Amino acid sequence: DVKVTQSSRYLVKRTGEKVFLECVQDMDHENMFWYRQDPGLGLRLIYFSYDVKMKEKGDIPEGYSVSREKKERFSLILESASTNQTSMYLCASSSGGEGTGELFFGEGSRLTVL
Amino acid sequence: AQKVTQAQTEISVVEKEDVTLDCVYETRDTTYYLFWYKQPPSGELVFLIRRNSFDEQNEISGRYSWNFQKSTSSFNFTITASQVVDSAVYFCALSEYYLQTGANNLFFGTGTRLTVIP
Repeated sequence: DVKVTQSSRYLVKRTGEKVFLECVQDMDHENMFWYRQDPGLGLRLIYFSYDVKMKEKGDIPEGYSVSREKKERFSLILESASTNQTSMYLCASSSGGEGTGELFFGEGSRLTVL
Repeated sequence: AQKVTQAQTEISVVEKEDVTLDCVYETRDTTYYLFWYKQPPSGELVFLIRRNSFDEQNEISGRYSWNFQKSTSSFNFTITASQVVDSAVYFCALSEYYLQTGANNLFFGTGTRLTVIP
């Protein structure tokens, strides 16, 4: 069974803390994504990666960075968490090439910043 | 830039009623893909369907059906004889292909929360 696994379902952090959200996929997918989901705003793309060590900014990259050292792992980093980063974070992966595009999602990580 | 509009924020229906979820999109691409995803209370988004922009045939899968109309840029989703298990947030999405990187991104609508009342 294909799987995208996010390391933490629920996190509570304090303002200014550094936060790591980890995502691992077992489908050998080239592309990996981090989305943020907020009520009334749908899913918004933060960053995506199309290959190891390669990354592209999405629609809302400010305050975030990412790391992809291995094909199966894509990490989202909040260097200094702020309360407006309280949200649900969704990781996804997909195979490369035109004509695909189906994203496989993890269960999400709900982050609360106090 | 891609845009997806789901004007219905929340819908409630009584079990066994039919319900249609609307999706309107904007794109300048000639080739694109449209998707529907379901997000049950557990949180994980579940893929329902992908439709190629060149294929305007309607599709039916059990109680689910999709009506793709390129002329009105719409890709509506109908659930027939709704059940309580259909209660979820449903997202419509539109693809964008990055030729230089070979990556596909999806632009999501804001979602429609469907509640099926027993």
